[in-house]
Amino acid sequence: AQSVTQPDIHITVSEGASLELRCNYSYGATPYLFWYVQSPGQGLQLLLKYFSGDTLVQGIKGFEAEFKRSQSSFNLRKPSVHWSDAAEYFCAVEYRDSWGKLQFGAGTQVVVTP
Amino acid sequence: GAVVSQHPSRVICKSGTSVKIECRSLDFQATTMFWYRQFPKKSLMLMATSNEGSKATYEQGVEKDKFLINHASLTLSTLTVTSAHPEDSSFYICSARGRETQYFGPGTRLLVL
Repeated sequence: AQSVTQPDIHITVSEGASLELRCNYSYGATPYLFWYVQSPGQGLQLLLKYFSGDTLVQGIKGFEAEFKRSQSSFNLRKPSVHWSDAAEYFCAVEYRDSWGKLQFGAGTQVVVTP
Repeated sequence: GAVVSQHPSRVICKSGTSVKIECRSLDFQATTMFWYRQFPKKSLMLMATSNEGSKATYEQGVEKDKFLINHASLTLSTLTVTSAHPEDSSFYICSARGRETQYFGPGTRLLVL
């Protein structure tokens, strides 16, 4: 069965430190890949996406993600975290035969400490 | 970027009543919209795919008679929770499919007493 895995349920990081959130997917063909951020009680905001081409993708708010086909991974990174980055982060995949349906990982809660 | 709105943002209703949630794409036309449900501290679960002018496609395990979806125009999809019960309390989020990605609404918090 197709799945999206975010191994880290909760991450605590100091302000100014770097952040990396992991995401792995299972499927034969490369799907479309997304990272979304959700603040408490809010909808989802798209941070970045990967369809094809350059495997290092730049997004909004200083985030980037790298697609690694050999590892079926799409990890999200930020070099220096700000307090406003505290939120829930979701990795999502759109499999190419799914007519636009997104499958979400379980999410990673990021807490930023002073 | 594209904007998707939902109304209402919060609703409290009595058990047994029906509640309608609207999802609108404000600055683009969306032939396809999606409805998700999110439980506290959980991920989003796709409930159904709403296609303009045709019947919605429901995911396995989602009761189509409980969650009525209507996509009457290219900018509006509605989700009606019929005969709501406390277990239907949740955060409902819609999304509208744009050219290359989905744009999400801010969500509707439903509390059934």
